[in-house]
Amino acid sequence: GQQLNQSPQSMFIQEGEDVSMNCTSSSIFNTWLWYKQDPGEGPVLLIALYKAGELTSNGRLTAQFGITRKDSFLNISASIPSDVGIYFCAGHFGTASKLTFGTGTRLQVML
Amino acid sequence: EAGVAQSPRYKIIEKRQSVAFWCNPISGHATLYWYQQILGQGPKLLIQFQNNGVVDDSQLPKDRFSAERLKGVDSTLKIQPAKLEDSAVYLCASSTWTEKETQYFGPGTRLLVL
Repeated sequence: GQQLNQSPQSMFIQEGEDVSMNCTSSSIFNTWLWYKQDPGEGPVLLIALYKAGELTSNGRLTAQFGITRKDSFLNISASIPSDVGIYFCAGHFGTASKLTFGTGTRLQVML
Repeated sequence: EAGVAQSPRYKIIEKRQSVAFWCNPISGHATLYWYQQILGQGPKLLIQFQNNGVVDDSQLPKDRFSAERLKGVDSTLKIQPAKLEDSAVYLCASSTWTEKETQYFGPGTRLLVL
């Protein structure tokens, strides 16, 4: 099946730092989504991207749909302790409404 | 607006036993999904319903897993008999028909098979 590779797998950052993570695929995706999952909870949608080149912000979060449609990145500016969690990219390819999830990036913020 | 509800939140069973999970989607959401999330991995779709019909169950291990959504609202997922490798979090999600790309997830049921 389709695979989405996320990097980095995990990261420790200082509070106040900016964070960048990305997601790549060998196939073309029609949508890219970014979710955050806290321990013991389901994923929560952060940002949805629908067109190649699209750049969308949600507060301190900014995500872009890559021009090649095979990648996406998520930036978090001025990180705070509540940004801790696992960030998943996900997307749809072809005509399927099935979401394919990435492997996740675990973010830990040091005070 | 109430979110996706799931129960139970936790379940511990022995291998070869049966277990069932329940999901109530967001009101008005026609599409319902069951995902399996193994520790350290992203969620993997098991089955997708559109109202009370199955849209995609290609990754559902049908020899032991079954799911139904008889009235097109809430849904149950059953495992019979359970294996050790079924230990995972089972997530339910729902979406509207017109916005299937934006799925809203429940808190999940954490299953441990001993």
